[in-house]
Amino acid sequence: EVQLVESGGGLVQPGRSLKLSCAASGFTFSDYYMAWVRQAPTKGLEWVASISYDGGSTYYRDSVKGRFTISRDNAKSSLYLQMDSLRSEDTATYYCTTDEEVEDYWGQGVMVTVSS
Amino acid sequence: DIVMTQSPTSMSISVGDRVTMNCKASQNVGSNVDWYQQKTGQSPKLLIYKASNRYTGVPDRFTGSGSGTDFTFTISNMQAEDLAVYYCMQSNSYPYTFGAGTKLELK
Repeated sequence: EVQLVESGGGLVQPGRSLKLSCAASGFTFSDYYMAWVRQAPTKGLEWVASISYDGGSTYYRDSVKGRFTISRDNAKSSLYLQMDSLRSEDTATYYCTTDEEVEDYWGQGVMVTVSS
Repeated sequence: DIVMTQSPTSMSISVGDRVTMNCKASQNVGSNVDWYQQKTGQSPKLLIYKASNRYTGVPDRFTGSGSGTDFTFTISNMQAEDLAVYYCMQSNSYPYTFGAGTKLELK
């Protein structure tokens, strides 16, 4: 059974950092591009970042470029999102997902709240 | 960034209805549009990829069409379990961008 399990969310003050993790199982993690997608409370979906199979290529939306870093550890079948200089507008549920159209897997999401 | 303009924002529908929603891309995205379903409290689920391909296990009442800038998603025979918010997304180029969503509600 395929599983993506996010962790690391919580309440953080503006300007501080947080690192999200996503543990994958049930598929060959290294064969997939991976991505983070977020959803602010009562809002729509927003793609945040993607990473290639070996981590050699990364892609970000403009609003997080320079503040967020996506990375992966294929040996641990894990995806990460290092979030620095957090802003109130980063408050959202963050989903870990495959960036592959023919194999679509999503985690249950982890909540990040940026507030003083 | 490519803007995906999705319409309508919401629809009041009845079981058995034919439901159609649209997405218009601000530039040519080829056939690289996906459609997702998100039920309340759940993660999104892919229904249609590359404009018209039904994802594994998706019932055939869900169909997609279009290319270039104009895309359509249809539910041919609305079921109660189809109540959800539906999103289009262009995967032609980064940054991927989603439409604002279409919420289906019971009449």
